[in-house]
Amino acid sequence: DAKTTQPTSMDCAEGRAANLPCNHSTISGNEYVYWYRQIHSQGPQYIIHGLKNNETNEMASLIITEDRKSSTLILPHATLRDTAVYYCIVRVGDVQGAQKLVFGQGTRLTINP
Amino acid sequence: EAGVVQSPRYKIIEKKQPVAFWCNPISGHNTLYWYLQNLGQGPELLIRYENEEAVDDSQLPKDRFSAERLKGVDSTLKIQPAELGDSAVYLCASSLGLGNEQFFGPGTRLTVL
Repeated sequence: DAKTTQPTSMDCAEGRAANLPCNHSTISGNEYVYWYRQIHSQGPQYIIHGLKNNETNEMASLIITEDRKSSTLILPHATLRDTAVYYCIVRVGDVQGAQKLVFGQGTRLTINP
Repeated sequence: EAGVVQSPRYKIIEKKQPVAFWCNPISGHNTLYWYLQNLGQGPELLIRYENEEAVDDSQLPKDRFSAERLKGVDSTLKIQPAELGDSAVYLCASSLGLGNEQFFGPGTRLTVL
């Protein structure tokens, strides 16, 4: 069974913030939320991950709700190159007890000019 | 720094023929993964290596698929004989360890006629 639920597709205007939701209502206390994306004809690319606190890096921000049952990936100023399939994955990510990545179908994000 | 290298990028064969895919991971990455990605779906793990040892091959169809990672660096995935349903993209990824960020290659797109 899928651990996450994402919308099948989304659109966003270039230059605007893209907010991608993910529901993970059965997440366990030791499971992290990971985001990868896959641009057409390329392999998936790591974006960001988090456990409880919000996280930000050069690519995106990850907002995790207090109850950890959902999260939002934010691309602050979307460009055409951000058009891709975005995968939200939950798993135990500790170095010693890490689980494998299990990809769902993801959200196909289209950035429109 | 070079990323994960895969070859060939594209392969077209007739059913019942053998085929092999090659992967060169990022230098120093002990963990290597082979994934299968069907059209419109997320990648699915076939096998994971820790150095030269296959530690998770539960999803590898062992009747026709085989893999090796001699000397714990490069890896080869083989299908013999190929079936029509094997048409897909085969992705290789590597990481420092299971709990670390995975870096994916561009994949090999296999078409079985």
